[in-house]
Amino acid sequence: AQRVTQPEKLLSVFKGAPVELKCNYSYSGSPELFWYVQYSRQRLQLLLRHISRESIKGFTADLNKGETSFHLKKPFAQEEDSAMYYCALRGDSGGSNYKLTFGKGTLLTVNP
Amino acid sequence: NAGVMQNPRHLVRRRGQEARLRCSPMKGHSHVYWYRQLPEEGLKFMVYLQKENIIDESGMPKERFSAEFPKEGPSILRIQQVVRGDSAAYFCASSPAGFLETQYFGPGTRLLVL
Repeated sequence: AQRVTQPEKLLSVFKGAPVELKCNYSYSGSPELFWYVQYSRQRLQLLLRHISRESIKGFTADLNKGETSFHLKKPFAQEEDSAMYYCALRGDSGGSNYKLTFGKGTLLTVNP
Repeated sequence: NAGVMQNPRHLVRRRGQEARLRCSPMKGHSHVYWYRQLPEEGLKFMVYLQKENIIDESGMPKERFSAEFPKEGPSILRIQQVVRGDSAAYFCASSPAGFLETQYFGPGTRLLVL
């Protein structure tokens, strides 16, 4: 079975401070990991996926297979980063290579 | 491209009534997914459909819930005889193909059962 854990329900930082949103997963194969973001009153949108190795809006995330983690990081948080962040996993074998498994989300608040 | 559309955005039903949730995928997308988010929970996969076919409904409750994606028109998630426990946000996503493609999400339908 596949599972995604986001241990922090709420995370509050000050503007300009570094931020790290934690994500751990459980999956026996080679998963694909994603971060989705939902700004207030907006739809869920893809922030980044590990296979693209992009940096979006200053955020990065590295897949650590040894620790089964995919933490989201940004060196200097901005107020506009305040949102709900979901980590998600997609499996690599039939039946799991299209469905996304989500964590419960972390609500990030960046204070001025 | 208007993105994935869902309607209604909010739906209130009394226990025992039927709820119909609609999802229009992005233009050019023929794969649709439905997810449910219960309060304080993450999104959970319900069903995966292609045009006129249900590919995987393993996440959908066996009773009262059904989904379709007809050749013409939106995908429909139908909940019969709703109960309070059905109160949740229902999200639809679409992709151009099923595998290795990014899923684009709609704004969701928030169902409240009184």
